[in-house]
Formats: sequence, structure tokens, C-alpha cells
Amino acid sequence: QQPVQSPQAVILREGEDAVINCSSSKALYSVHWYRQKHGEAPVFLMILLKGGEQKGHEKISASFNEKKQQSSLYLTASQLSYSGTYFCGTDQGAQKLVFGQGTRLTINP
Amino acid sequence: NAGVTQTPKFRILKIGQSMTLQCTQDMNHNYMYWYRQDPGMGLKLIYYSVGAGITDKGEVPNGYNVSRSTTEDFPLRLELAAPSQTSVYFCASSGYSGAWNEQFFGPGTRLTVL
Repeated sequence: QQPVQSPQAVILREGEDAVINCSSSKALYSVHWYRQKHGEAPVFLMILLKGGEQKGHEKISASFNEKKQQSSLYLTASQLSYSGTYFCGTDQGAQKLVFGQGTRLTINP
Repeated sequence: NAGVTQTPKFRILKIGQSMTLQCTQDMNHNYMYWYRQDPGMGLKLIYYSVGAGITDKGEVPNGYNVSRSTTEDFPLRLELAAPSQTSVYFCASSGYSGAWNEQFFGPGTRLTVL
């Protein structure tokens, strides 16, 4: 079942903060976050695993509430380079991801 | 390393034609995936493979076929193309081995069926 992301779109000024949420009606084993810039392929940001382990490349923070089957991605002091569409992918136990519909983030100078 | 490569980058097909989208990775990843992305939408999993000779269906497999004879290659076959298959197709690979790792995506193939 596809996870639900909110909000669908966000417009910020450079330096402002944003939170993107991802929720599922099914039990989750892990949550994965990707960013996609227009016309490009998705790029990995972070994996959050049950038990609190995280894997990621960038200084982006996120949380994973296993009981509530929710994850949130926190973008602080946003930069122009943060613009793009953010996708969460949920692993529901079958070694494959189901992605949400995306959250479009626009950062203005 | 080239990572994940896909060919062609663009293709226009007529209704009823067939084609194969090529995907190759040079990272020795055991997991490979095919996704489609319709305009303004998220990624939908078509097929995936956990290793050479092993494939399984994703969310939207109808109208597609795959094979995985080597670790490196994971071609996607479209038979009898339909306008509903107009989309951007992404191939991805991952070195999953008991624990999740990131998926590396190819640049995509933009397919139009007219």
C-alpha cells in the first residue's frame, strides 16, 4: 500500500525550515528518503531502520516512529540546492520499496 | 565506475510495437529494479530481481517482461506498446545483503507511445 506524504508542496525562502511527513497504514520495517530534481533520477538521502539505526549521506535529519508507522524528514536552514521533489519509500517486508506520491519543495532566494 | 546505465535515453513507439529497455550496472549489485514514473507522480515498481535468474513482479507488471541472465544486466521488454505505457522508466540497483542499502538509479528512458 502506497505511503501518504504531506504536504504535497512547500515553498520556502532560503534559510527557512521544512518538515515532510510520510505515513503508512501498514507496519513498516524501514523508511527510505530520496530527492529528485527536475528531469533527473532520484538520489538517495537516508534510510531509517527499526531500532533507530540510520544510514545517510547528507546532513539531513529524520525520524521514524515505528508504532505510528510514520517518518518525518527535517530540512533546516534550507539552501537553494534543497529544491526538488522528495519521496519516501516504505519497506513492507518483501525486499522492495513502495514510494509515496512525493512532496515538491521550492526554495526561493 | 559508470554506475547504472540505461539505453536508449528517448524513444517514440507506435501502438502495438515492441522494444527492450536496456539496463546495466557495474557495481556487482545483486538487487536490480525497474520503476516507471508518470508525469508529476511517484515511482511505481514494475519488476525486480534479487540475483541472476531470479525475478519477481512489482506493483504494475502488466504489459512488461524481464529477464536476468547476468548480475550486470536487467533488460525490460515491452510487448504490444500502449499509450498507457508512456512514462519515464528508471532502472536501479542495490547491494542489499540482509540489510538495506541505498538504491542507485540510472538516468532514465523517456518513452512515448503514440
